[in-house]
Amino acid sequence: AQSVTQPDIHITVSEGASLELRCNYSYGATPYLFWYVQSPGQGLQLLLKYFSGDTLVQGIKGFEAEFKRSQSSFNLRKPSVHWSDAAEYFCAVVPTSGTYKYIFGTGTRLKVLA
Amino acid sequence: DAGVIQSPRHEVTEMGQEVTLRCKPISGHNSLFWYRQTMMRGLELLIYFNNNVPIDDSGMPEDRFSAKMPNASFSTLKIQPSEPRDSAVYFCASRGLAGRYTQYFGPGTRLTVL
Repeated sequence: AQSVTQPDIHITVSEGASLELRCNYSYGATPYLFWYVQSPGQGLQLLLKYFSGDTLVQGIKGFEAEFKRSQSSFNLRKPSVHWSDAAEYFCAVVPTSGTYKYIFGTGTRLKVLA
Repeated sequence: DAGVIQSPRHEVTEMGQEVTLRCKPISGHNSLFWYRQTMMRGLELLIYFNNNVPIDDSGMPEDRFSAKMPNASFSTLKIQPSEPRDSAVYFCASRGLAGRYTQYFGPGTRLTVL
């Protein structure tokens, strides 16, 4: 069955430190890949997406993600975290076989220490 | 450009009462999704509309839940009668033809059933 794994439920980093959030998927072909951020009490905001082409994708708020086919991964990175980045981050995939449904990971909650 | 609009943002009701949640998708989008988010189950897709037609309602928990999309700019999710276990945040998301499956989420409605 198709699945998305975000192995880290919680991550704590100091402000200014670098960040990497992991996302692995299980699917035979390359799906469409997304990262969303959910601040407390808010909806999900699209950070970035990958469909094809350059495997390093730039998003909003200084985030980037790298698609690695060999590892079935789409990890989210930020070189220097700000306190306002504290939120929950969701990875999602859409298989390209024609289904419309997002398959969400369980999310990673980021805490930022001042 | 207005995003997805949901109302009300918060709803507190008593068990047995009817609850109606409302959603206005992004203008020009032809697909609409209703999700439910809880701590225990994460994000669950309840129902998906395409061109105002319900395509997949397999995620609707039971007959107490119903959803309609009378036109391209409005959808409702109704719970009748409501139960405490329906307490959750309900999100609406929309998607356009050009977006290659990219969904845009509303701010959500936090429902509390006492």
